[in-house]
Amino acid sequence: GIQVEQSPPDLILQEGANSTLRCNFSDSVNNLQWFHQNPWGQLINLFYIPSGTKQNGRLSATTVATERYSLLYISSSQTTDSGVYFCAVEAGGTSYGKLTFGQGTILTVHP
Amino acid sequence: GAVVSQHPSWVICKSGTSVKIECRSLDFQATTMFWYRQFPKQSLMLMATSNEGSKATYEQGVEKDKFLINHASLTLSTLTVTSAHPEDSSFYICSASRGDVSAKNIQYFGAGTRLSVL
Repeated sequence: GIQVEQSPPDLILQEGANSTLRCNFSDSVNNLQWFHQNPWGQLINLFYIPSGTKQNGRLSATTVATERYSLLYISSSQTTDSGVYFCAVEAGGTSYGKLTFGQGTILTVHP
Repeated sequence: GAVVSQHPSWVICKSGTSVKIECRSLDFQATTMFWYRQFPKQSLMLMATSNEGSKATYEQGVEKDKFLINHASLTLSTLTVTSAHPEDSSFYICSASRGDVSAKNIQYFGAGTRLSVL
């Protein structure tokens, strides 16, 4: 099946810093979503971005489907940005909507 | 829009008992719902896919007799952990997808259920 690798596994920042999280995937995808899992376990949809670039406030994401990677940018980080960031993909073909998750990036933002 | 409610959020049970977890799409009809399991400090692993009115499709290695899934309506799916044992303790998360082309197979997630089996 499709492989999803996220980097870095851990990231520690001071409040106000910028960061880039990366997601590499091994095959073509129909769907790519970025999520933030808060300390209580809730997965929050950040972006649906199988290709192209999107921005939402301090967050933006870019997926280059032909090169099989996606980037999540966090600018002016805040302590509330702490948590785990997951990239998840739906492989092309007959995946019937099934998502494969990467291992996540644990982000800690210090005040 | 696209709110998924999962209940209960936390359950403690004795070994050998069964536990039912509900997943509801509150403001849309979910043709497909998914159940995931997450161990501490690990990623989400898909357990099964359920489509309304049909039998669930289980991922390799997931015991269908242990984890019973029912998707009786377009807004409700349930996961029953039968004869639970301590090794079944985990965080269970559901998601729902509208399934139509315009919705682009985007999955919306519930808040999860933390199961502890004593």
